[in-house]
Order: sequence, then C-alpha cells, then structure tokens
Amino acid sequence: EAGVAQSPRYKIIEKRQSVAFWCNPISGHATLYWYQQILGQGPKLLIQFQNNGVVDDSQLPKDRFSAERLKGVDSTLKIQPAKLEDSAVYLCASSPILAGVPTGELFFGEGSRLTVL
Amino acid sequence: AQKVTQAQTEISVVEKEDVTLDCVYETRDTTYYLFWYKQPPSGELVFLIRRNSFDEQNEISGRYSWNFQKSTSSFNFTITASQVVDSAVYFCALSEVGYSTLTFGKGTMLLVSP
Repeated sequence: EAGVAQSPRYKIIEKRQSVAFWCNPISGHATLYWYQQILGQGPKLLIQFQNNGVVDDSQLPKDRFSAERLKGVDSTLKIQPAKLEDSAVYLCASSPILAGVPTGELFFGEGSRLTVL
Repeated sequence: AQKVTQAQTEISVVEKEDVTLDCVYETRDTTYYLFWYKQPPSGELVFLIRRNSFDEQNEISGRYSWNFQKSTSSFNFTITASQVVDSAVYFCALSEVGYSTLTFGKGTMLLVSP
C-alpha cells in the first residue's frame, strides 16, 4: 500500500514570497491533516479535512495560510506571504474512518521542510 | 484543553540498556486515546501504539512496552535492550474519542550509542 506522498521535500524562499505544498493521502482515507512542526517541538495541527469539508482550522493563521482539498483526495497548503517564523516542516497525514468515526491512527508523510530567509 | 507533557528532552543510553520515556497528559474528557509515535532522522512519523482510556492493561510488543496509569495520567513507554536503530524522537499524543485531532507533546530525543 502506498503511503502519504508529499512534495516538495525541501523549499527555500525569501520572506514575503509564497509557497505551496501538495499532499496525496493513502487511498480511501477520508480524513486528511496538515501539521506544522517547528524544530524542537511536536507537530501542531493547522487544519483537518474530512472528505472535502473542513473539520477544524482553528489554529490556521488564515491571514496568510490557506488549504484546500478539492474532490476529497489531494490537498494543497499555501502560505502567502511567508514570514521567517513559518520556517518549519509541514506534515501531511491521513486517517481512515471506521463505522463513520475517525480511527485516530494517523499515517504521516515525510514532510515538506520550508526555510524562509 | 488537552495537554501532553514529555519532561525528558533528550536521553542518551548505551546499547542494550533499558530506557523509559515518560508521558503525562491532561484532559477533561473521560474517554480519549493515547498514542506514541516515533520520528527517525528521515522525518516520517511512525505510529507505534494507540490505547483507549478504558483499557489500562499494559501492553508489550517485542522490546517495546507501555504502562498506562489513569490515576497518575501517565502513559510511559519502555524500550528493553535498546538498539542503535531505536535512536529517534519519540512523541506522545492524545485525542478525544471520535475526534481524531492529535495533541502532541514536545518529544523526547533518544540517542542510543554502540
């Protein structure tokens, strides 16, 4: 079974530029997450989708971050304009649903490492 | 609000030593899940275990064992006879049942030297 795919793996941009990350979850997984992991910290949820609807985006800085999951499969996360403090690894994860309820077991991609100069 | 505390930032051991990683959590929910994830240098978080708050039985899987104590809100992870390949950052996490967003601790970096 193919895992969660993310691209690009690495991105270096200057502040105020924009960047987009792409995620392809495990086939059949209805729930998709974007997490931000700053160096030395645990992952922090940015947004959670179930199919193509947003379940939780309370910690997404909406003035500069946006995410979408068209057709309930792939997802993109965009940052515009980027700030120095956005330097982090952006992790995508997906999770299956069992009897209509998320199982809670998340499968993570390798992440996209962003450096903002 | 949910909170997960991993007080140990970094642990160094020599191969074959046993090591315990501590995890303390806070939640107002009566039902919840607890998790451990491993993050090797490659960066991909790997699921290790999920426990339901109603199940306080300790679990053993090979060299790994988990001790869940609801009375002290702890979910500790022990690696027996550690190996160099166990070197990684280990995260404890918590979620509400039926709502799969995980709240992670800050992680414990485990360094196992030969």
